[in-house]
Amino acid sequence: GQQLNQSPQSMFIQEGEDVSMNCTSSSIFNTWLWYKQDPGEGPVLLIALYKAGELTSNGRLTAQFGITRKDSFLNISASIPSDVGIYFCAGQLITNAGKSTFGDGTTLTVKP
Amino acid sequence: DTAVSQTPKYLVTQMGNDKSIKCEQNLGHDTMYWYKQDSKKFLKIMFSYNNKELIINETVPNRFSPKSPDKAHLNLHINSLELGDSAVYFCASSQGGVRNQPQHFGDGTRLSIL
Repeated sequence: GQQLNQSPQSMFIQEGEDVSMNCTSSSIFNTWLWYKQDPGEGPVLLIALYKAGELTSNGRLTAQFGITRKDSFLNISASIPSDVGIYFCAGQLITNAGKSTFGDGTTLTVKP
Repeated sequence: DTAVSQTPKYLVTQMGNDKSIKCEQNLGHDTMYWYKQDSKKFLKIMFSYNNKELIINETVPNRFSPKSPDKAHLNLHINSLELGDSAVYFCASSQGGVRNQPQHFGDGTRLSIL
């Protein structure tokens, strides 16, 4: 089956720093999604990408759908303490009934 | 006005028992899912229903039986609970269609087997 490799596994940064994380796949996806999970809650969608090469922003977050359709990255600029959490990438195939394959997550810690 | 709600939030029970988790969504979506998140935070899909029909059934022990009485509800019944079933179970929903739509997740049910 399809597998997603998400890196880094964890990050410890100072408040105000920029963050970059990425996801690579062994095969192509039609859709890339980025979610954030806070402790005790379910994942919440941050950004959805539907087209190869697409670059989309949501406030301080920017994500891109790789040209090869096998990768995506998420950048967070000027991090703040509430950015702490686990960030997941997920890929979807149109032919796969909306099933999302999730990466293993990047745990972000922001030191004030 | 919770979008995807699951009950209970916490479930602590003995090995061998049977238990159910309920999920409801008020987003008008036609597709619902169950995911399992283990202690290492890996999220893995278990089942998916579209308009009450099972469309995804990953390799899950048949002790797990989903039931969708209507497209707004997807319940999960687990028989003969085992220690390895301890995890957080998330319900999610999305709208099907030509273009894949992101899933909206509930807050999870934390299942602990003693």
